[in-house]
Formats: sequence, C-alpha cells, structure tokens
Amino acid sequence: DTGVSQDPRHKITKRGQNVTFRCDPISEHNRLYWYRQTLGQGPEFLTYFQNEAQLEKSRLLSDRFSAERPKGSFSTLEIQRTEQGDSAMYLCASRGPVSGGEKDEQFFGPGTRLTVL
Amino acid sequence: AQKITQTQPGMFVQEKEAVTLDCTYDTSDPSYGLFWYKQPSSGEMIFLIYQGSYDQQNATEGRYSLNFQKARKSANLVISASQLGDSAMYFCAMMPGFQKLVFGTGTRLLVSP
Repeated sequence: DTGVSQDPRHKITKRGQNVTFRCDPISEHNRLYWYRQTLGQGPEFLTYFQNEAQLEKSRLLSDRFSAERPKGSFSTLEIQRTEQGDSAMYLCASRGPVSGGEKDEQFFGPGTRLTVL
Repeated sequence: AQKITQTQPGMFVQEKEAVTLDCTYDTSDPSYGLFWYKQPSSGEMIFLIYQGSYDQQNATEGRYSLNFQKARKSANLVISASQLGDSAMYFCAMMPGFQKLVFGTGTRLLVSP
C-alpha cells in the first residue's frame, strides 16, 4: 500500500446517531491530519497528531467530536449525536517526519463522505 | 489572521492553451509554504506544486508553474498546454509555520476541446 486509506468511503446516518471513521496513513508517516470539507468550500483543519500525541485541535472540533491515534499508526474520528450540519467530506492526510525541509507535502486519503439525514 | 483568497470561482480554457489561477494569501508567519492541490470529481486531493517562502525562484513541476510574488502576497498557478484531464477544482493552500494547511475556496477549471 502506497497511499492513505480511509474507511468507510461513504456513510449515511440518521441525526443523533454516532459515527466513527478510520484513517490509515502512509506507513512511515508520523504526522496525521483531519480536515472537513463542506460543499463548495476548501478543506478546513480539524486536528493534528504527531505520533500518538494530539498536538492541535480546531475550534471547529466541538465536544461531540473526538479523534484518537492510540499507537501512532491509524487514527479514528468519532462524531457523537450527529447533526445535519455535520454532513461533509472528512479528509485525512499524512506527512513524513520533520526533515528540516518544509516542502514535505501532506498526502490525502480519498475521504469519507458523511450524510446525516 | 491566516487566509487564502481565490477570487475566480470558475475558469474556462481551451485545450492546449495556458491558464492562470489566482491566489493571494495573508499571514504574519515569516516562514510558510504555499501549495496547489487538484481535486477531481472523485474527491481526492492531488498535490501539484510547492513554493517555500524563502525560495528565490518560482517552482515548476512539468506543466505547472507557480508565479510567486512575495511582496504582493500572491502565488498564482500557471498551467501550460491545458488538457481535458485538467478539468477539476484547484485549491491554493498555505502552511504557516509548516504545520496545518489553510485552504482557499477553490477555482473550478473547465477545459474544452
């Protein structure tokens, strides 16, 4: 596997239900990011992990959202008590270790499209 | 405030012609990276080109070049010899302090035969 994978690719749920998404980064990448993209907008940063440590969380990440990366490999993003406003594409990206070269780009997964009915 | 502005919601170009997609940015960080990503209808974000804030020369990657004007805080993407497969959304993004990406709202490019 040479890319970032995300599961599921699509999720339809009813308002009030909990959902969990998974992201598997590129194997040697220790930095992992979650973004949310709503229709017609660019992706917005949600949270960032370096290894297993969650180093930054956006104000967009309300108390209903929680992200984990327990062993510094895959990550999960859980949304509790989903609302219709949570409908969006959830993108995961990974990035290699700090090398002193800032040009290492973030590699994105295919995204999980969430629809809340 | 960290912000990316893309003022062109949509652009049209004929195949084999060049097109410029505009991007301006605002940041107080002295060190930052500027990126362009392509997002086809399938949804994945594809990295195209990178420009560092201290780079003296404009970045080029095949048919893509980045016209970096630091004083004007602009980072326009130039696509030469457009192809039908270039039709997609294009996002300009900035990485202030080289951490998270801040994206613009995107430009939809349509390439016609």
